[in-house]
Amino acid sequence: ETGVTQSPTHLIKTRGQQVTLRCSSQSGHNTVSWYQQALGQGPQFIFQYYREEENGRGNFPPRFSGLQFPNYSSELNVNALELDDSALYLCASSLERSGRAVNEQFFGPGTRLTVL
Amino acid sequence: EDKVVQSPLSLVVHEGDTVTLNCSYEVTNFRSLLWYKQEKKAPTFLFMLTSSGIEKKSGRLSSILDKKELFSILNITATQTGDSAIYLCAVVPNAGNMLTFGGGTRLMVKP
Repeated sequence: ETGVTQSPTHLIKTRGQQVTLRCSSQSGHNTVSWYQQALGQGPQFIFQYYREEENGRGNFPPRFSGLQFPNYSSELNVNALELDDSALYLCASSLERSGRAVNEQFFGPGTRLTVL
Repeated sequence: EDKVVQSPLSLVVHEGDTVTLNCSYEVTNFRSLLWYKQEKKAPTFLFMLTSSGIEKKSGRLSSILDKKELFSILNITATQTGDSAIYLCAVVPNAGNMLTFGGGTRLMVKP
């Protein structure tokens, strides 16, 4: 196990609702990245947080937003849920210095979101 | 836009077989290529490759990178049922640390 934890493990929501997913990074890591993995596909980068600020964003609409807290934990918020948002949401933590990754990303177990 | 393509999409072999998984990529300002194994949920790190032609090895798994031809292979020798998983390849750009993943290869090893 990597030491990255995510909650909840599973979640069922209906279209139009809002959801908040949580991630605690591995001890000593200061960067959290979020990925969406639809069934049968590879993970797609959503965004990354470094020093409590967004540090890069993938091709996801603004209804996907996030936060990073002083202890480096992070939240992913999704508003106005759509059926296609059903996926495994993975967070990964890493250590960055001066904008460069020091080590590889370590993934948490993910949150399985189902939108009905 | 960065792009990573893995092949084959899926593979079924028997215990003891050797498999080769492929990953080709197009990326602006390449820094490194990573291989992960995903069994149920969390992808677990296997290898990081940054230099061409240098094989990384861990037990029965090995991997090599060709930066001229823009691909990497992951070899698994003497496969075991515990090797059954999705194998993911991802590239890391020089600026930032956002991974671009391929679609994965689903490997099933039968007893």
